[in-house]
Amino acid sequence: DQQVKQNSPSLSVQEGRISILNCDYTNSMFDYFLWYKKYPAEGPTFLISISSIKDKNEDGRFTVFLNKSAKHLSLHIVPSQPGDSAVYFCAVASGGYQKVTFGTGTKLQVIP
Amino acid sequence: DSGVTQTPKHLITATGQRVTLRCSPRSGDLSVYWYQQSLDQGLQFLIQYYNGEERAKGNILERFSAQQFPDLHSELNLSSLELGDSALYFCASSVARSSYEQYFGPGTRLTVT
Repeated sequence: DQQVKQNSPSLSVQEGRISILNCDYTNSMFDYFLWYKKYPAEGPTFLISISSIKDKNEDGRFTVFLNKSAKHLSLHIVPSQPGDSAVYFCAVASGGYQKVTFGTGTKLQVIP
Repeated sequence: DSGVTQTPKHLITATGQRVTLRCSPRSGDLSVYWYQQSLDQGLQFLIQYYNGEERAKGNILERFSAQQFPDLHSELNLSSLELGDSALYFCASSVARSSYEQYFGPGTRLTVT
């Protein structure tokens, strides 16, 4: 039972353009929605989060959008840079204990 | 560098064997989390310890166990290994008892032959 789904295993984008990574979740009870980035041979790194009471959160070139009615989360990277090439994991967490459930990841390639 | 260290980096062993994976959290972090990433799978949460005590369990098999020592390092013990246990095992840490912002180590790649 996958609570978090990233249906696109990979994405290629030209440098300078926008990268849009998508994620769907099944449980409307989640409180926090997260994105982690992972480079080869390294562990995931926390990137950005959004709480369920918001619909948008920005941090520099990274913006996360939350559509609660559609149970959909997206990450926008503008402008995309070659250093952004990595695997991006969507994740969800509940309040209290805040167990984190990760998606399967989307591999982003930014082409110079 | 997240500050979380994991040893060994790679481990190759045979079915039926037992292995121990080690994790040292970031300085000052009291929580340690263990995750398993199999091929084409997301990170599956296994277990969490906070200041030496088990805090939460996820999809951890009975053949697997973990502990956190007084110096806060943690070990994940995997026994009666099966081919399907081949995966990347990540350790993460956080200061707080519960946190979604976790700092991950580089992982241990386990191959069971």
